[in-house]
Amino acid sequence: AQSVAQPEDQVNVAEGNPLTVKCTYSVSGNPYLFWYVQYPNRGLQFLLKYITGDNLVKGSYGFEAEFNKSQTSFHLKKPSALVSDSALYFCAVGEANSGYALNFGKGTSLLVTP
Amino acid sequence: DAGVTQSPTHLIKTRGQHVTLRCSPISGHKSVSWYQQVLGQGPQFIFQYYEKEERGRGNFPDRFSARQFPNYSSELNVNALLLGDSALYLCASSLTGQDNSPLHFGNGTRLTVT
Repeated sequence: AQSVAQPEDQVNVAEGNPLTVKCTYSVSGNPYLFWYVQYPNRGLQFLLKYITGDNLVKGSYGFEAEFNKSQTSFHLKKPSALVSDSALYFCAVGEANSGYALNFGKGTSLLVTP
Repeated sequence: DAGVTQSPTHLIKTRGQHVTLRCSPISGHKSVSWYQQVLGQGPQFIFQYYEKEERGRGNFPDRFSARQFPNYSSELNVNALLLGDSALYLCASSLTGQDNSPLHFGNGTRLTVT
């Protein structure tokens, strides 16, 4: 069975500072990992994915994520936060050959203050 | 290009009633998935369809059903509505339906059951 955990309900960071949103996962096979962002009253927007290959994945809007197999983590990072990055962030895990269902974390609210 | 479109955007129903939600995928996308997002939680997988065939089903009761039409649009039906069915229902499409293909979400249908 797959599962994903986002241990922080909220992350606060000042504009211009680096940000990290944490995610850990559990799968029995090879994971597919995704980050999505949700703005108020909107659907989810795809940011980036890890399937295989380089452990550092670059995505949209300057975000990147680091896959760490030994720690089963896939933390989302950005070197310099913008106020407009304030939103709800979801980590999701899928698994090769186990069907298309993605398991989403409960989400982390990111607040970037000026 | 138009993204994933869902209708209606908002809906209020009474317990015991039936509801039909509609989704049009991005042009060229053959896979449609449905997710339920309860307030404060991450999306939960309900169904995936690819080329009009059901590919996967989440842990939802038989009151939930769906289908995909020849033009790849989809409907989600919920019978005998319960208060707990109140949620944001998200439709997502993907190009291939493969389990590592990013999902493109619509803005959702907000269902309120009273």
